[in-house]
Amino acid sequence: GQQLNQSPQSMFIQEGEDVSMNCTSSSIFNTWLWYKQDPGEGPVLLIALYKAGELTSNGRLTAQFGITRKDSFLNISASIPSDVGIYFCAGQMRNNQGGKLIFGQGTELSVKP
Amino acid sequence: DAGVTQSPTHLIKTRGQHVTLRCSPISGHKSVSWYQQVLGQGPQFIFQYYEKEERGRGNFPDRFSARQFPNYSSELNVNALLLGDSALYLCASSVTGNSPLHFGNGTRLTVT
Repeated sequence: GQQLNQSPQSMFIQEGEDVSMNCTSSSIFNTWLWYKQDPGEGPVLLIALYKAGELTSNGRLTAQFGITRKDSFLNISASIPSDVGIYFCAGQMRNNQGGKLIFGQGTELSVKP
Repeated sequence: DAGVTQSPTHLIKTRGQHVTLRCSPISGHKSVSWYQQVLGQGPQFIFQYYEKEERGRGNFPDRFSARQFPNYSSELNVNALLLGDSALYLCASSVTGNSPLHFGNGTRLTVT
């Protein structure tokens, strides 16, 4: 099925370091979302972006909606052990038929205390 | 406040059998979507319902069907199960068909 290109696939970092991950698509989206999934649970919404160029923060998380509407970035500052998990980007093309999400393959984050 | 609830949490079925998965959305949410997540991949869109009408269908065979009830809960049905149907099935709800999705913890289906 259709997926976005998300990178990196995995990251191993030291507690306190900053993290960056990104997502690119050949298609234009009018909404970008970032989710975090812990083992045995469903994805949890972190940040939603609605406008090209938009920069939004949620605590230590900052995400940006690319100007071309074909990409998005997520940054995590001063990582802590509970940041461990899989992060997914998702693009949404909202229209009158609803708004299905197209997901990236995920970035698995490991944080070493 | 209760989030999206799904039942059962785990299920083991045999090839050729039928399965029904259930989902209750967040109170006030009128749209329910279903996604399939195979191990190591992102979720794949199966269906979206809004106000009891189908608003979108992903690239899945006709063995997959769904419906939404007047109380906005939903069922996903899969007939003639194949080994490849083994996955985590996620339900998500949203206020409208275009709002951000909030996911449940999924039903882990294993087909043997």
